[in-house]
Order: sequence, then structure tokens, then C-alpha cells
Amino acid sequence: KAGVTQTPRYLIKTRGQQVTLSCSPISGHRSVSWYQQTPGQGLQFLFEYFSETQRNKGNFPGRFSGRQFSNSRSEMNVSTLELGDSALYLCASSLAGVYNEQFFGPGTRLTVL
Amino acid sequence: QKEVEQNSGPLSVPEGAIASLNCTYSDRGSQSFFWYRQYSGKSPELIMFIYSNGDKEDGRFTAQLNKASQYVSLLIRDSQPSDSATYLCAVSRYTGNQFYFGTGTSLTVIP
Repeated sequence: KAGVTQTPRYLIKTRGQQVTLSCSPISGHRSVSWYQQTPGQGLQFLFEYFSETQRNKGNFPGRFSGRQFSNSRSEMNVSTLELGDSALYLCASSLAGVYNEQFFGPGTRLTVL
Repeated sequence: QKEVEQNSGPLSVPEGAIASLNCTYSDRGSQSFFWYRQYSGKSPELIMFIYSNGDKEDGRFTAQLNKASQYVSLLIRDSQPSDSATYLCAVSRYTGNQFYFGTGTSLTVIP
């Protein structure tokens, strides 16, 4: 079974631009979560989508948004990029429900110049 | 107070020794507990999960959960240099699917 895929793997943007990242979950997984990972803050939860609905949301500004499609693929968007948005963005999928482990994709490394 | 706390380390153990990694959590409603391993430059990889009090063994790995003390640990027996990585503890509540991660413990196994 194929794992979680994320595209693109690397991105370089400048301040003020916007970016869209994509995540395809493991086949059959309906929940997709997004995380931001930086050396100083560790893994920070952004949001979780299940059946095209945002079910949980972390403490990030409204510049960070996401959506999920009917095939469970998900995208996250960051508008008006800031230098501090440089990070590894990780997507994780799970079957969703009680006691469900999450499996991570390889991540997208975003650099904001 | 952070939801999940781990000693950041670094923790160094000699090859063949037992490595003990610890994690505490603040939410008594937490139901699911996970250990992930993350190599430098890679994404986290799930190695163990535990839901019930007590021990759970999988090969060289043993997860231990004590809900009364809000404490979960990971033991790695016969540590190998390839176990050198950052180990992340994560907890999840019953409702929804939001995970809370600790900042990770860096483990180095010395040959």
C-alpha cells in the first residue's frame, strides 16, 4: 500500500507571496492532519480534516488555511508569507476514529526569503 | 503547562545497552499514546502505540503506560547505532483526532 505523499518536496518563496501544499493520504484513510515543524518549536498542529470538514484547528493565524477534497486529498495554503513561516510542513493520515495512529508523509520544506 | 513534555536530552547510551525515554502528559482525558522516531532530515515514523495501562512489547521496543501518573515511556533494548534519532511522544484524546506532540528526545547510541 502506498504511503502518504506530499508535493512539492521543496519550495522557495519570498515574503508576501502565497503557497499551496498538497497531501495525498494512504488509500482508505479519511483523516488528514497538517503540522509545522521548526527546530525551536517542534511539531505544531495546524489543523485536521475529516470527510472534507475541518474537525480540529491549532493556534495558527488565519493566513494558514486548508481544505480536503472528496477523495481525501488535502491542500494547505499559506498567504502573505513571513520569514517565520520557513519550516518543514508535514501531513499525516489516519483511518480516523478511536485509537487511530497517524502516518506521516515526507514533508514539504518551505523556505521564505 | 505544555500538553506533552519530554526531556530533550541528548541521551547517550553505549551499544547494547537499554535506552529509556520518558514522557508526561497533562490531559487526563488522553486515550492513545504513540512513540515516533525521527531521523535527521526525515519525517516521523511510528514505532509503537499503547492504549492500556501496563507494558506493550514489540521486538526490542517496550512501551509502558501509567495513566494514574500520566506517564508513558519507551524502552529500547540492545540499542544499536541505527537507533540514534529523535524520539517523539504523542498523545490523543478520545474525541476527534488531534495529536499533541512533545518536543522530542535526542538519542545517540555510541558504538
